[in-house]
Amino acid sequence: AQKITQTQPGMFVQEKEAVTLDCTYDTSDPSYGLFWYKQPSSGEMIFLIYQGSYDQQNATEGRYSLNFQKARKSANLVISASQLGDSAMYFCAMREDGTGNQFYFGTGTSLTVIP
Amino acid sequence: NAGVTQTPKFQVLKTGQSMTLQCAQDMNHEYMSWYRQDPGMGLRLIHYSVGAGITDQGEVPNGYNVSRSTTEDFPLRLLSAAPSQTSVYFCASSMAPYNEQFFGPGTRLTVL
Repeated sequence: AQKITQTQPGMFVQEKEAVTLDCTYDTSDPSYGLFWYKQPSSGEMIFLIYQGSYDQQNATEGRYSLNFQKARKSANLVISASQLGDSAMYFCAMREDGTGNQFYFGTGTSLTVIP
Repeated sequence: NAGVTQTPKFQVLKTGQSMTLQCAQDMNHEYMSWYRQDPGMGLRLIHYSVGAGITDQGEVPNGYNVSRSTTEDFPLRLLSAAPSQTSVYFCASSMAPYNEQFFGPGTRLTVL
């Protein structure tokens, strides 16, 4: 079974609007962390936001917020007020604490911001 | 402060050749890892290290060796390159596994 599932291969959003990128995860480990990374066309990986499994509140970092629904095992990324520079690949990732800190990445969602 | 550096940026190998991908970080991070990125498959963990002298296998370790003799360096060795190892390789580091990972710029490897 896939540890991280990103079901949206490609998404389009109008500039200045909000967009939600979906991520579901599969783990039986009670302690884990969830990450989102951005990969622009230049290829580098840029950390966006982190949510720990025991965190009570949803993580926020500027225009990025993580909609964490633990019971549903989902960790959706919300980008508010989209900008042209947000066009990139977005990867959801999970670290399981009980398996020696293994990291798993999803297959990514390609976001295009339309002017 | 250079962050995470990787060399080379590009490499072409013939099947059966060996080589080492270099990774270094100057942030005194304990946790380092190697990933490969293939089209449509995201990043997959090859090997990782939680500190000098300690390494462990990730999701796709076959065909690769690592060692961690210092905190700064974490080289990845391909012993006998195969076309299936054609990929983009990323090295990453973090203060601890639960912290954000800082990624290097990547090495694009082609095995003919």
